[in-house]
Amino acid sequence: DQQVKQNSPSLSVQEGRISILNCDYTNSMFDYFLWYKKYPAEGPTFLISISSIKDKNEDGRFTVFLNKSAKHLSLHIVPSQPGDSAVYFCAASHPISNFGNEKLTFGTGTRLTIIP
Amino acid sequence: DSGVTQTPKHLITATGQRVTLRCSPRSGDLSVYWYQQSLDQGLQFLIQYYNGEERAKGNILERFSAQQFPDLHSELNLSSLELGDSALYFCASSVVVGGTDTQYFGPGTRLTVL
Repeated sequence: DQQVKQNSPSLSVQEGRISILNCDYTNSMFDYFLWYKKYPAEGPTFLISISSIKDKNEDGRFTVFLNKSAKHLSLHIVPSQPGDSAVYFCAASHPISNFGNEKLTFGTGTRLTIIP
Repeated sequence: DSGVTQTPKHLITATGQRVTLRCSPRSGDLSVYWYQQSLDQGLQFLIQYYNGEERAKGNILERFSAQQFPDLHSELNLSSLELGDSALYFCASSVVVGGTDTQYFGPGTRLTVL
């Protein structure tokens, strides 16, 4: 049961344009969402997160939008740069105790290619 | 650099063997998580430790086990290895702030079982 889905395995965007990566989830208990960027042979690098009490969070060129009613989140990268070429993973979690969140449930990733 | 270290970076071994993967969390982080990423797959949660105690289990095989030591480093033990165990194994650590936390990942250990 794939609780977090990234339906686009790949995306190509012209340098300078906006990249929009999408993610859908099915578990309504999820209340914390994260985006990670991964280069080959490296570990995932945290990019940005959003709590379910918000619908938008910005950090520089990266903005994450959360639509709880649609169980959908998206990552916008503006402007896109060649160094943004990587695999992007969406992840979700929900708290199980005061000791922290439960495991992250990951999507299968979207490979973003920025075309110079 | 996330501050999470993993050793070794690469490991090549034969079926039936046993290996140990090591992880040192970021300074101050009490939680350690282990994930497996098989070819072209997303990351699958294996197990979580918090301050030395097992906190949650995911899709971890009985042939696999883990522990977290008093200095908070963690080891993942994989035994009776099979070809299908070949994968990237990532460790992540986090510190809890107000019930939500962000997991920071190490560079991973690539295990190849021949």
